[in-house]
Amino acid sequence: EVQLVESGGGLVKPGGSLRLSCAASGFTFSGFSMHWVRQAPGKGLEWVSSISGRSIYIYYPDSMKGRFTISRDNAKNSLYLQMNGLTAEDTAVYYCAREAVSGTSLDYWGQGTLVTVSS
Amino acid sequence: SYELTQPPSVSVSPGQTARITCSGDALPKQYAYWYQQKSGQAPVLVIYKDSERPSGIPERFSGSSSGTTVTLTISGVQAEDEADYYCQSADSSGTLGVFGTGTKVTVL
Repeated sequence: EVQLVESGGGLVKPGGSLRLSCAASGFTFSGFSMHWVRQAPGKGLEWVSSISGRSIYIYYPDSMKGRFTISRDNAKNSLYLQMNGLTAEDTAVYYCAREAVSGTSLDYWGQGTLVTVSS
Repeated sequence: SYELTQPPSVSVSPGQTARITCSGDALPKQYAYWYQQKSGQAPVLVIYKDSERPSGIPERFSGSSSGTTVTLTISGVQAEDEADYYCQSADSSGTLGVFGTGTKVTVL
């Protein structure tokens, strides 16, 4: 059974940093691209970043470039998101999701971890 | 930045058909995907590659594409279909992901 479990969320002050983790199980982790998606309270889904199976291809929207860094450790079946220079606008539930083999759809999602940026 | 536009809300009576549109300039070149998100839960993929249905998704969910608009159709809506629905695609380069603005489906 495919499982994705996020961790590392919490309360952080503006300007601070946080590293999110996503533990994957139930599939060959290195064979799949992975994504981070976030959702601010009461708002819609926002794509954050993606990384290919061997970390060759990494993408961010312009709004996340320079502050967020996605990475993975295939030996540990883990995905990471390093977030720096956090602002209140980064307050959201952060989901990790697996990209399907057949295309860029996200076929499995974790339950999310809440990041709150507040003084 | 690239945007996908959806209507904010759709209301439908049980047993009727709900149609949710998603518009974007790159949709003629990029596949679209649809997700259902119930309150407090993670999203669930209900349609991929414009019109394909993942295993386990009821047949009442279908997708179609025409030009710069893709449509999610829920036929014979049931109370359990009440949720937020999001389309997803990529920009014209195919590298940057984007989600639609989301549509809240209310079953009357």
